[in-house]
Amino acid sequence: EIVLTQSPATLSLSPGERATLSCTATESLSLTFLAWYQQKPGQPPRLLFFNVSNRAPGVPDRFSARGSGTHFTLTISRVEAEDFAVYFCQQYRSSPFSFGQGTKLEIK
Amino acid sequence: EVQLIQSGAEVKKPGESLKISCQLSGSTFHNYWIGWVRQMPGKGLEWMGIIYPGDSTTRYSPSFVGQVTISADKSVNTAYLQWSNLKASDTAMYYCARHGVHTEYSWLDPWGQGTLVTVSS
Repeated sequence: EIVLTQSPATLSLSPGERATLSCTATESLSLTFLAWYQQKPGQPPRLLFFNVSNRAPGVPDRFSARGSGTHFTLTISRVEAEDFAVYFCQQYRSSPFSFGQGTKLEIK
Repeated sequence: EVQLIQSGAEVKKPGESLKISCQLSGSTFHNYWIGWVRQMPGKGLEWMGIIYPGDSTTRYSPSFVGQVTISADKSVNTAYLQWSNLKASDTAMYYCARHGVHTEYSWLDPWGQGTLVTVSS
């Protein structure tokens, strides 16, 4: 079973700052089998990126994602007010298709 | 527009049974995997399992094997999640989501709005 570890658990930033979120897997996910989601309070998760770095429709280009193997990152170049939320990574290389525990991006 | 509409909130007692639903519109149903995800209050996302409605093949997380049953009815484009013996620890929001492409090895998009299940005596 693949375990995903996200860091940090909480990231406190001011609007305009750069955010870097990490997701580390216990087995290689190759170049493909990872997604990122954003979840705001009271809402379902929203897909941000699939297959590591493919941006979902409607996702602003201040968001970017990269990685391979076991290390992946989600970057927000300049955080805006609407970006404060919880972010989850998910692997779909092998079942069970596990999620990381989440990173909460909060206003400093 | 592809949408998943889930059934409404439920309040049940321990030991009762429950079946919640997730109806897909705007997309073919039989050839996309549908998944279920649990989110306990204030916690993260837990992958429970998936179903391929075309032949009802299922995959379960070891954490949920024997605890829930995932099924689907192609005639009404609906997937289900059911319990036969609810526990207080089943209190959570449950989301369904469609897989992004025609393989189980894909992301989840779109998501349903969630069904809140509360189990309390």
